[in-house]
This record gives sequence, C-alpha cells and structure tokens, in this order.
Amino acid sequence: KAGVTQTPRYLIKTRGQQVTLSCSPISGHRSVSWYQQTPGQGLQFLFEYFSETQRNKGNFPGRFSGRQFSNSRSEMNVSTLELGDSALYLCASSAQANTEAFFGQGTRLTVV
Amino acid sequence: GESVGLHLPTLSVQEGDNSIINCAYSNSASDYFIWYKQESGKGPQFIIDIRSNMDKRQGQRVTVLLNKTVKHLSLQIAATQPGDSAVYFCAETLIGNTPLVFGKGTRLSVIA
Repeated sequence: KAGVTQTPRYLIKTRGQQVTLSCSPISGHRSVSWYQQTPGQGLQFLFEYFSETQRNKGNFPGRFSGRQFSNSRSEMNVSTLELGDSALYLCASSAQANTEAFFGQGTRLTVV
Repeated sequence: GESVGLHLPTLSVQEGDNSIINCAYSNSASDYFIWYKQESGKGPQFIIDIRSNMDKRQGQRVTVLLNKTVKHLSLQIAATQPGDSAVYFCAETLIGNTPLVFGKGTRLSVIA
C-alpha cells in the first residue's frame, strides 16, 4: 500500500508570490491534515479536511488555505509569501480524524 | 491553547541500553496519544499509539506507558540501536474533535 505522497519535495519562492502544495493520502483514508514545522515553533496544525470539508483550522492567517477533492487528495495554498513562511509543510492522512495518522515526507518551502 | 510538552530536549544513550523518552500533556480530556520518530530530512514516522482506556501498550522493541493521573506519557525503547537516533514527538488528541497537538520533541542520540 502506497504511503502519503507530497509534491513537490522542495520549493524556492520569492516574497509576495503564492504557492500550492499537494498531498495524496493513503488509499482509503479520508482525513487529511496539514502541519507547518519550523525549528522555533515545532509542529503546528494548519487545517484538517474530511470528505472535502474543512473540520478544523489552526491559528494561521487567511493567507493559508486548503481544499480537498473527491478522491481525498488535498492541496494547500499560501498567498503573498513572507520570509517567515519558510518551513517544512507536512501532510498526514488517517482513516478517521487523527487516529493512526501517517505523514508524508513533507515539502520544504524556502522563501527568499 | 493547551499543548504537549517534553521534559528532556536531548537524550544520549549507549547502544544496547534502554531509552526512556518522557512527555507531559496538559489536556486531561485527551483520549488518544501517538509517538512519532522523525529522522533528518524525513516526515514523522508513526511508532505506536495508545488510547486512554489503556495504561500500557507494547510494540516491537517499544512500549508506551500512559499515566492519566499525572498526565504523563513515556516511550521506552529496548536495546537501543544507532538507527533509533532521531527526534521523537508525542502527540495528543481528543478523537473526533481536535487535531493532533505535538510536543516540542526529544532528540535521541545513540552512542556506539
């Protein structure tokens, strides 16, 4: 069974640009959660989707948004990038909300 | 919001010894806990989970202990190997209601 796939693995963007990250969950999993990981703040929850509906949202500005498609694949978008958005963005999938959540390898975003 | 914390940010152990990584959680309502291992450049890897109706669960070379009275979680690794060197995170949640909340992590360094 394939694991969680995140694309791209690495990304370099300029301040002010926008970016879209993709996550394909484990087959059969309908819950997808996104996290931002930085050395200073650790793993911080962004949002969670289940069956195309956003069920939970973390304390991030509106520049951070996401969506989930009918095949459970999810995307997150960050607009008007800031230097502080540089981080590892992780996606986790689970069959039910947050139980046995498995992570992808992450997308390393660098904003210059 | 409430968060999960770790007592020791770094832990060095001799190869072959047992390791114990501790975690304090603050939300007494949390009913599900997961330990993750994260190696450099990779996403967090699911190790073992435990529900609040249990106080101990064993996996392959790992044991998780849950003490709800003092809101404490620990991960025991038997016969620690160099491949166990990584950062270990505990995470808590209230199933179906809240996202996973992660601790800051403990770095385990295995001395050969």
